[in-house]
Amino acid sequence: DTGVSQDPRHKITKRGQNVTFRCDPISEHNRLYWYRQTLGQGPEFLTYFQNEAQLEKSRLLSDRFSAERPKGSFSTLEIQRTEQGDSAMYLCASSLPGRGTEAFFGQGTRLTVV
Amino acid sequence: AQKVTQAQTEISVVEKEDVTLDCVYETRDTTYYLFWYKQPPSGELVFLIRRNSFDEQNEISGRYSWNFQKSTSSFNFTITASQVVDSAVYFCALSERTSGTYKYIFGTGTRLKVLA
Repeated sequence: DTGVSQDPRHKITKRGQNVTFRCDPISEHNRLYWYRQTLGQGPEFLTYFQNEAQLEKSRLLSDRFSAERPKGSFSTLEIQRTEQGDSAMYLCASSLPGRGTEAFFGQGTRLTVV
Repeated sequence: AQKVTQAQTEISVVEKEDVTLDCVYETRDTTYYLFWYKQPPSGELVFLIRRNSFDEQNEISGRYSWNFQKSTSSFNFTITASQVVDSAVYFCALSERTSGTYKYIFGTGTRLKVLA
C-alpha cells in the first residue's frame, strides 16, 4: 500500500492523559499536513511540514499540541493533558512539492477523550 | 481572507437523478487552486479534482463534471445519473500561497444521500 498511513485508527483516552499519533506519508512527498475534523465540519488546518521543517502552525494548535517530523519522513502529533474538546478525527495528508499540488489523506485517527 | 462556503448541508436524491453540489470561495490572491474531495463513511478523504485559477475550462470525468466560474467565485460539482455508491460527504477546498505554504481551506461539506 503506497497511500498515507495513520496509526492508530482509533484512540480512547482519559482526560489528562497524553496521546501520540503517527503518520507515514507517501514516500516521495516532502510536504506533510495535519488537520483536525470535528463532527459535521470540514477539516481544519493544524500544521504543515516541508521535509523536516515545521513551517506553519495554526492558532488552533495550543501549547498542549506538538508535532514533529524527524528526518523528513514520518510525523508524530502529540497532545498533552488531553481535554474533552480534543475529541475529533485527526487527519494527516501529504503532497508533492510545487504550487497547488493535491494532498492525499490518510484514513485518520479518531480520538475520544472520556 | 480565504473562505470556502458550501451552503448545502445535506442533499437527498433518488438513484439516477442528477445532482449539483455548490461551492463558493473567497480569496484575494490571483493565483489559487480549487479542489473537490469525497469522504465516504470509511473516513478517508479521496481526491477528485484540482483546478487552478487560470484554467476556467469545465471538466468532465465519467459521470462527474465541474463548472468553474471566476466571475461568481464558484466551483460547482455535478454528478450525473447518481448511484448509491456516490453517497458520501463532499468537500470543496481552496489553496493559495500564504506565508510560503499551500495549505488547504475546506468548506463544511455537503452530505449527499442517494436513495435506491
